[in-house]
Amino acid sequence: EAGVVQSPRYKIIEKKQPVAFWCNPISGHNTLYWYLQNLGQGPELLIRYENEEAVDDSQLPKDRFSAERLKGVDSTLKIQPAELGDSAVYLCASSLSRGHAGELFFGEGSRLTVL
Amino acid sequence: SQKIEQNSEALNIQEGKTATLTCNYTNYSPAYLQWYRQDPGRGPVFLLLIRENEKEKRKERLKVTFDTTLKQSLFHITASQPADSATYLCAPGTGGFKTIFGAGTRLFVKA
Repeated sequence: EAGVVQSPRYKIIEKKQPVAFWCNPISGHNTLYWYLQNLGQGPELLIRYENEEAVDDSQLPKDRFSAERLKGVDSTLKIQPAELGDSAVYLCASSLSRGHAGELFFGEGSRLTVL
Repeated sequence: SQKIEQNSEALNIQEGKTATLTCNYTNYSPAYLQWYRQDPGRGPVFLLLIRENEKEKRKERLKVTFDTTLKQSLFHITASQPADSATYLCAPGTGGFKTIFGAGTRLFVKA
């Protein structure tokens, strides 16, 4: 079974440029997460989807970040415009469980460097 | 605010010994707690989940305890091997499926 797939793995952009990350979760997983991870820190939740509905986006900086999950499968996270402080690893995860505990399956992450 | 504390300093142990990692949390009562392993440049990988009504859980060489009174979880790796070297993340979760991650503890196992 294929795991969570993310692309691109690496992205280098100039500040003020836009960038987008794509995530394909494990088939059948209705819950999808986007996390941000800075060096030496744990993942921090940006947004959580149940199917196509964003049920927790309280930590998403909505002035420059946006996300969508069309048809409740693949998801895209966009930053526009990017700032130097956005340099980090963006992790996508998916899970089966809804409303109760369940393991998260993570992708390999998309490492963003903003120059 | 909710806070999770893991040993910020790396843990260095000799192969064959037991590694013990600590996770303390404050200002909330998680219904469950997960432990993940993360290798450099990779995403976290799930290891174990323990619920609030469970005191201990084991999986092969791994053992997790969960003390809701002390607000602490201990993660043990017995008979450690160099391949166990990684960062281990503690992730307490509340109802509604809100999982928050600690900063992790880096473990080095020397041959």
